Amino acid sequence: EAEVAQSPRYKITEKSQAVAFWCDPISGHATLYWYRQILGQGPELLVQFQDESVVDDSQLPKDRFSAERLKGVDSTLKIQPAELGDSAMYLCASSPLGSGGSTDTQYFGPGTRLTVL
Amino acid sequence: GQNIDQPTEMTATEGAIVQINCTYQTSGFNGLFWYQQHAGEAPTFLSYNVLDGLEEKGRFSSFLSRSKGYSYLLLKELQMKDSASYLCAVEDSNYQLIWGAGTKLIIKP
Repeated sequence: EAEVAQSPRYKITEKSQAVAFWCDPISGHATLYWYRQILGQGPELLVQFQDESVVDDSQLPKDRFSAERLKGVDSTLKIQPAELGDSAMYLCASSPLGSGGSTDTQYFGPGTRLTVL
Repeated sequence: GQNIDQPTEMTATEGAIVQINCTYQTSGFNGLFWYQQHAGEAPTFLSYNVLDGLEEKGRFSSFLSRSKGYSYLLLKELQMKDSASYLCAVEDSNYQLIWGAGTKLIIKP
């Protein structure tokens, strides 16, 4: 069964350092999502891509976070510099259809647990 | 504003039945999802409701009442492996998912 791949699974870094997370969606899935999930809370959407284009990045803290999906396949999320409050699980999800105008089930990767010291 | 409410935590006994409720107030409605999330793992899709009524899938069933802004997830014949968080998420008028904080379900022997 096809799965969303993410790496690394765990990352420990010091504040002010840069970190990067990678996601490879299910093959053929047009839409890719990056979420942040703090323990005990639901996922919070950071950015949504339709192919290589950003559809929604309204909740992405753009002063320190950036995301790209250059060829419309895999994606990278970067934080620079990391802050203590960034400690969370970073989840990547993909869905098969194009965004907007239709319901689309999201399939999640295993996540990257980030700890900022 | 948009809001999804779920109980924070529930406890049930192995072999029993438990109902996890979800109420929502969103800008439009295009469907409601339930996901299961084991501790430290990613959410996995359980069910999707867009029409009123009950959808049954094995031991799990999900119910929706759009007029009441209400859904529940029913888990029967509980097993220890059902200990997890259960997330309710609503698709708003823009097909964006609004997530609840999740209900942590504890199963006791």
